[in-house]
Amino acid sequence: AQSVTQLGSHVSVSEGALVLLRCNYSSSVPPYLFWYVQYPNQGLQLLLKYTTGATLVKGINGFEAEFKKSETSFHLTKPSAHMSDAAEYFCAVSHTGTASKLTFGTGTRLQVTL
Amino acid sequence: DVKVTQSSRYLVKRTGEKVFLECVQDMDHENMFWYRQDPGLGLRLIYFSYDVKMKEKGDIPEGYSVSREKKERFSLILESASTNQTSMYLCASSFGQTFNQPQHFGDGTRLSIL
Repeated sequence: AQSVTQLGSHVSVSEGALVLLRCNYSSSVPPYLFWYVQYPNQGLQLLLKYTTGATLVKGINGFEAEFKKSETSFHLTKPSAHMSDAAEYFCAVSHTGTASKLTFGTGTRLQVTL
Repeated sequence: DVKVTQSSRYLVKRTGEKVFLECVQDMDHENMFWYRQDPGLGLRLIYFSYDVKMKEKGDIPEGYSVSREKKERFSLILESASTNQTSMYLCASSFGQTFNQPQHFGDGTRLSIL
């Protein structure tokens, strides 16, 4: 069965600092991986996805993630944090089987300070 | 852009009531999903549907049922609401039966059961 683990339920960075949000996956087959962002009182918005091909994936708002099979990781990074990046971030892995089901991590809340 | 619309942003109901949460998508997606989101637990799948009148249980179906009479509409039903069903409910939809398709989310319904 597929699963994801997000290390750190809360991460705090200064504005302009590097953002690193960690995600490790477990999958018996080659995984498809996703990062979503949730701003307060909103639904989830897709940031980026890894399916096949290039292991460094670029997403919206300057975020990117690198798929590392040897480390079973898909960490999300952004070189320079902005106040508007404050949100909750979810990593997800797709299932084989019916209907493109996803399993989500428990989320990481990113705080950006001045 | 895909639009997933949930009928209510906030809802307050009493224990024992039958509660209906409605979700409509405008992109002719085959798959629709209902999740509940609780702090520290991430998103947990309640039910999903991969076609009209088809439904499958997710990870936490107890106390819930669903209905999909039309392709664009997916309803979540709390048969007899209880206080432990107070939560944020998120609806999502996705295209097709391949595993690399992202899910698109509505803005959520924050449900309080008193």
